[in-house]
Amino acid sequence: AQTVTQSQPEMSVQEAETVTLSCTYDTSESDYYLFWYKQPPSRQMILVIRQEAYKQQNATENRFSVNFQKAAKSFSLKISDSQLGDAAMYFCAYRSLVTTREEYGGSQGNLIFGKGTKLSVKP
Amino acid sequence: DVKVTQSSRYLVKRTGEKVFLECVQDMDHENMFWYRQDPGLGLRLIYFSYDVKMKEKGDIPEGYSVSREKKERFSLILESASTNQTSMYLCASSSRGRNTEAFFGQGTRLTVV
Repeated sequence: AQTVTQSQPEMSVQEAETVTLSCTYDTSESDYYLFWYKQPPSRQMILVIRQEAYKQQNATENRFSVNFQKAAKSFSLKISDSQLGDAAMYFCAYRSLVTTREEYGGSQGNLIFGKGTKLSVKP
Repeated sequence: DVKVTQSSRYLVKRTGEKVFLECVQDMDHENMFWYRQDPGLGLRLIYFSYDVKMKEKGDIPEGYSVSREKKERFSLILESASTNQTSMYLCASSSRGRNTEAFFGQGTRLTVV
């Protein structure tokens, strides 16, 4: 079974600085997706960034980028120029692409989440 | 604007009550999920469904059941609520295929007293 580990329960960053959130995972599969989700105090889960395991290039979305190390099974999130609105819980998640239920259209892997990292941004 | 809507943001129920948590999505998604979120434990999968009238147990199904009679609606049922089911419940949906994104509802904070 796959597992996702976020070793930093809480992190803090000064506004405008850069912070990196860590995530490691364990899997024997070679085909999968990795995600970072953000959950602000409003509780609405928002997708921040995704990475397909077969793509060597690290994904980027504006101020958010990842460092994907497939061999090390590491998937860290870097937030540049931190803003007050970045304060939230951040969850790393894994999704298998192994086809298990052909009768339901193929790849249907569920999201497996880490325990989350609470990010505070200091003004 | 895509939407997953959960019927209540806050709910208080008594021990032993039968509780229904409703989730509706307007994106014509095939897949729907119920997660439970607890501090320090992250999100854990309770049940999921890949099609109407289809359901499968997730990692923590004990004490819960689900119903999916229509494609857009996925209900989580607590047959006899207990205090250890006090938690945040999140519904999500996604389409089939490889490069899909899960969309989440705003969560229901359930307190069982």
